[in-house]
Amino acid sequence: QKEVEQDPGPLSVPEGAIVSLNCTYSNSAFQYFMWYRQYSRKGPELLMYTYSSGNKEDGRFTAQVDKSSKYISLFIRDSQPSDSATYLCATGGATNKLIFGTGTLLAVQP
Amino acid sequence: EAGVAQSPRYKIIEKRQSVAFWCNPISGHATLYWYQQILGQGPKLLIQFQNNGVVDDSQLPKDRFSAERLKGVDSTLKIQPAKLEDSAVYLCASSGQGYGYTFGSGTRLTVV
Repeated sequence: QKEVEQDPGPLSVPEGAIVSLNCTYSNSAFQYFMWYRQYSRKGPELLMYTYSSGNKEDGRFTAQVDKSSKYISLFIRDSQPSDSATYLCATGGATNKLIFGTGTLLAVQP
Repeated sequence: EAGVAQSPRYKIIEKRQSVAFWCNPISGHATLYWYQQILGQGPKLLIQFQNNGVVDDSQLPKDRFSAERLKGVDSTLKIQPAKLEDSAVYLCASSGQGYGYTFGSGTRLTVV
């Protein structure tokens, strides 16, 4: 079993749609949860960072963590074509080492 | 704040040749990471440095990969000899306090 599981997609949605991206993880020791966005031929960039269960909102983006079910989600409201990218979930424990999911390729159609 | 610099951006080599990648982290970031990202997969940690000491190299294929971080700043990652399955993007990242990784744009390696 992989430590972090993520549906690779691809996911195609029309502009303005609400997007839901999800990951599950296996290690209950993981304490930090992140979402990275990666455009083609670029390095990943940090979008959201949460430490505990619950929701964290930043503009059109909401990150949700449920530690009891080991489930993490990213919601994108009013999606834009510029949101088209690969979204990577990542989690880690005390050592600062991050474990990444495989990434979900998102395409927002104008 | 300048980002993480990596070079070269692209490299094509034949199998069994050697190759080296360079990374300059964000100034003041004590922790430096090298990740390997194979097409269609998430990044996989190869090695983690804290200043110039190795924290984790458990997934580094030590028979062919080596890395160093001199003086706790720049780092180089070397592959010798390269195999076809080493074709990937090699990402360098650095972090200061907490989990705020900043990645470079990566070096895309093609082994033919």
